[in-house]
Amino acid sequence: ILNVEQSPQSLHVQEGDSTNFTCSFPSSNFYALHWYRWETAKSPEALFVMTLNGDEKKKGRISATLNTKEGYSYLYIKGSQPEDSATYLCAFISGGSNYKLTFGKGTLLTVNP
Amino acid sequence: GAGVSQSPSNKVTEKGKDVELRCDPISGHTALYWYRQRLGQGLEFLIYFQGNSAPDKSGLPSDRFSAERTGESVSTLTIQRTQQEDSAVYLCASRPGLAGPLNEQFFGPGTRLTVL
Repeated sequence: ILNVEQSPQSLHVQEGDSTNFTCSFPSSNFYALHWYRWETAKSPEALFVMTLNGDEKKKGRISATLNTKEGYSYLYIKGSQPEDSATYLCAFISGGSNYKLTFGKGTLLTVNP
Repeated sequence: GAGVSQSPSNKVTEKGKDVELRCDPISGHTALYWYRQRLGQGLEFLIYFQGNSAPDKSGLPSDRFSAERTGESVSTLTIQRTQQEDSAVYLCASRPGLAGPLNEQFFGPGTRLTVL
């Protein structure tokens, strides 16, 4: 059973704060890591697909880093806005897993105006 | 273009009844996944279809669960003799077949199933 852990479970920040959260996954047999944002009453939307150790990806105020050797990825949000409020999910794919994603339980971010 | 659609959006049923959930993937997407999220849990993989290959059913929790896909189009997830622990949001996702897991998955809005 693959273990994907996300921390913290939930987070409350003020508008304008920068924040970050963590996804931990098995460091062996890594293939890819996905990040998704899931807003209430909407479908999860992909943020990043990461494959290479040391990868850093950015989309607007959101960025992510990847360390496959130690098995973690960080997601950063700079200058949080209320519309960033959502659950952020990471999903791990191991080699030979038939492309199944193993999801963490997510980090619920609430940005207060 | 049109995204992944699912129906119904909400389903309330009585324990012991059968339910059928539908997913229409994005046209041209050869891969289709079913997941569920029970209260307080993460997204749980159920089943994966890829083209004409045999589906990966390794995530189905019991033999009461089954799924079919017609070619590379619509998929139905059937739960027989529903139990209260089947209550969850059932999500469908599709992705292009090329480049496999390097492609993001596109999710539908989900079906919220409540078993009384």
